[in-house]
Amino acid sequence: GAGVSQSPRYKVAKRGQDVALRCDPISGHVSLFWYQQALGQGPEFLTYFQNEAQLDKSGLPSDRFFAERPEGSVSTLKIQRTQQEDSAVYLCASKPDRGANTGELFFGEGSRLTVL
Amino acid sequence: KNQVEQSPQSLIILEGKNCTLQCNYTVSPFSNLRWYKQDTGRGPVSLTIMTFSENTKSNGRYTATLDADTKQSSLHITASQLSDSASYICVVNTNAGKSTFGDGTTLTVKP
Repeated sequence: GAGVSQSPRYKVAKRGQDVALRCDPISGHVSLFWYQQALGQGPEFLTYFQNEAQLDKSGLPSDRFFAERPEGSVSTLKIQRTQQEDSAVYLCASKPDRGANTGELFFGEGSRLTVL
Repeated sequence: KNQVEQSPQSLIILEGKNCTLQCNYTVSPFSNLRWYKQDTGRGPVSLTIMTFSENTKSNGRYTATLDADTKQSSLHITASQLSDSASYICVVNTNAGKSTFGDGTTLTVKP
């Protein structure tokens, strides 16, 4: 596709369930980012990939959060044993160049997670 | 404390009016600053980028300013349209490779 694609768009999980969120970046984009956005707030950095290498995971809030990008394209954000405070929109963004501080980020529409 | 502060938090204006959104930051070392527009239920889209040496940059009805000395930026919207209703997010990027997002200003344009 032409843009960043995320699925599912909406996910409702019971507390304690595991969830997996998928991101298809723009083809050829080297850098991929995951962000968490709470209602009424700006996106908060979770993790950054350059191709298949996870170069920065300092924003992951706990060891229940895990992200991977095994072939340097599609990425999955997994949240284990979900808790209510995990409810948020999870945004994926990609950009064609290396480096976390340059270039325009192209965002997907996000996956809205609601944990009951 | 967030290192990128935006004001106002929300704003309501009538169609056709102008408005100015503010972004103050303490993030360093500064590399560049971007303004993004986020429509409800969508991902943010870049409007403009400001580098250290740039003071003013226009993109259609959007004009961004940057004062690197006072660490302030503004986004001015001229002749607002209903489609301008969105959240406007200021993002400051550092030379160290970090992006810090503000919490955004929610703009509502009413007919």
